[in-house]
Amino acid sequence: QLQLQESGPGLVKPSEPLSLTCTVSGGSISSSHYYWSWIRQPPGKGLEWIGSIYYNVDTHYNPSLKSRVTVSVDTSKKQFSLRLSSVTAADTAVYYCASLSYGMDVWGQGTTVTVSS
Amino acid sequence: VMTQSPATLSVSPGVRATLSCRASQSVSSNFAWYQQKPGQAPRLLISNASTRATGIPARFSGSGSGTEFTLTISSLQSEDFAVYYCQQYNKWPITFGQGTRLEIK
Repeated sequence: QLQLQESGPGLVKPSEPLSLTCTVSGGSISSSHYYWSWIRQPPGKGLEWIGSIYYNVDTHYNPSLKSRVTVSVDTSKKQFSLRLSSVTAADTAVYYCASLSYGMDVWGQGTTVTVSS
Repeated sequence: VMTQSPATLSVSPGVRATLSCRASQSVSSNFAWYQQKPGQAPRLLISNASTRATGIPARFSGSGSGTEFTLTISSLQSEDFAVYYCQQYNKWPITFGQGTRLEIK
């Protein structure tokens, strides 16, 4: 059974990059079934899709974040990653990784990232 | 843009609840519903507009295509009170609705 787990620092300083990793277990990260995806949720607000990657050959990003976002896959480590540059307080959120096929059927538990000096 | 209505729905247990979502352009049937409880990740309820995800009770049903979609919960149980989000995955960028909070009346 596919499981996802986010990891990364819980506190990031303004203007610095945010880096998170999602570890895939119980299934293959090389699966042709999934776009590996990142979603975030600011405190008390709704869900915002950040970006998705298929293998390392097809990536899509939210236009509102595109200039600052990179999503990548490391098949040897069974992980995919999110990098968000030049963060501000507006990037404070719970960050989720998820597998996208027909809908996002598996989600990580989420990791809280706070941007503060 | 995905627009959900109402923003908040107050319903008594045992009663039917109907949640709506409208897309600003057709998304065909590439559409999903999610349930989120406080402190938890969202859970996929419905994909392809009307297909229940694994383990989702039969009281949850989805309908619609194109631009108008509905989630119906036939007889509300206490565990169903949560926030519900719609999502289109027909076209990039993937977009979510703003959510409907289903609360106990």
